[in-house]
Amino acid sequence: QKEVEQDPGPLSVPEGAIVSLNCTYSNSAFQYFMWYRQYSRKGPELLMYTYSSGNKEDGRFTAQVDKSSKYISLFIRDSQPSDSATYLCAMTTNDYKLSFGAGTTVTVRA
Amino acid sequence: NAGVTQTPKFRILKIGQSMTLQCTQDMNHNYMYWYRQDPGMGLKLIYYSVGAGITDKGEVPNGYNVSRSTTEDFPLRLELAAPSQTSVYFCASSQTRADTQYFGPGTRLTVL
Repeated sequence: QKEVEQDPGPLSVPEGAIVSLNCTYSNSAFQYFMWYRQYSRKGPELLMYTYSSGNKEDGRFTAQVDKSSKYISLFIRDSQPSDSATYLCAMTTNDYKLSFGAGTTVTVRA
Repeated sequence: NAGVTQTPKFRILKIGQSMTLQCTQDMNHNYMYWYRQDPGMGLKLIYYSVGAGITDKGEVPNGYNVSRSTTEDFPLRLELAAPSQTSVYFCASSQTRADTQYFGPGTRLTVL
């Protein structure tokens, strides 16, 4: 069993739709949770960073963490074609070694 | 401020050849990392460094070596290239262990 599971998709949605992405994990020691966005042939860039359970909102993006269920989610509201990318979840314990999900490829159709 | 830069962008190696992937950051970050990204597998940590002169193995270090003689540079060395090392390699850096990791644009390596 992988430490972090993420459905690779691909996911295709029409412009304006809500995109829902999620990851599950097995290590209960994970404390910090991140979502990275990676455009084609580019390096990942940090999108959201959360600590502990709950919601965090940043513009059109909302990150949710449910530590009791070992489940994290990212929602993108009013999706745009520019949101087309691969989204990677990542998490870490109290050190700097990130464990990544496989990434979900999202296409937003104009 | 260029952030994290990597060279080369692309490279094709023959089995048994060696090469060095270069990584430089201009943010004065203490922590630097090398990852490889394979299709459907996410990023795997190869090596990391917490400062000049200090390096340690990550999850998949076999077949690779690193050095960190300065704060800015963190080269990754492949001594005897194998087809299993065909991948996209990303270098990253962060100020502290809990801070955001900033990634370079990657090096696409093919070993034939």
